Amino acid sequence: DAGVIQSPRHEVTEMGQEVTLRCKPISGHDYLFWYRQTMMRGLELLIYFNNNVPIDDSGMPEDRFSAKMPNASFSTLKIQPSEPRDSAVYFCASSRGRSQHFGDGTRLSIL
Amino acid sequence: SQQGEEDPQALSIQEGENATMNCSYKTSINNLQWYRQNSGRGLVHLILIRSNEREKHSGRLRVTLDTSKKSSSLLITASRAADTASYFCATDENYGQNFVFGPGTRLSVLP
Repeated sequence: DAGVIQSPRHEVTEMGQEVTLRCKPISGHDYLFWYRQTMMRGLELLIYFNNNVPIDDSGMPEDRFSAKMPNASFSTLKIQPSEPRDSAVYFCASSRGRSQHFGDGTRLSIL
Repeated sequence: SQQGEEDPQALSIQEGENATMNCSYKTSINNLQWYRQNSGRGLVHLILIRSNEREKHSGRLRVTLDTSKKSSSLLITASRAADTASYFCATDENYGQNFVFGPGTRLSVLP
């Protein structure tokens, strides 16, 4: 079975640009999570969905961040406008039970 | 806020030795999980232990849970160079659906 697929794997862009990160969860999983990982703050939960509905977005840092899940097989995390402090590795994870399956992340660098 | 806090932050051992990592948490939980992250990859679920369990084994992994002390330990026996990774504990803070990850322990197994 294919795991969680994230794209792109790497993204380098200039500040002020819009960034869109994509995630395809494992088929049949009903929960989807977006995380951000930095050396300073570790792994932070940004938002999670259940059956495509956002349940908790309290971790979204500010209005520049938005996430959508239009269907069970696709989710996006958008940053507009991007800032250098958004540089991090962004992970998507999905689950059906209690254990989460992570993608390999998108390494985002904002110059 | 950090729920799980791993200890030590970094650990370096020789191949064949045992590695023990500890996790402390603050609130009541239903489950505690341990994950491994290899460099440049996503987290991989290792083992889940429920609050009514005291010990669980999976291959060379042994996890203990002491809910009275709000702590857990992960023991890796007969370590191998391939065990080199960061290890994270995650707890369902206050019985929530999402899991909160600690800052992790970086394990280096030297050949």
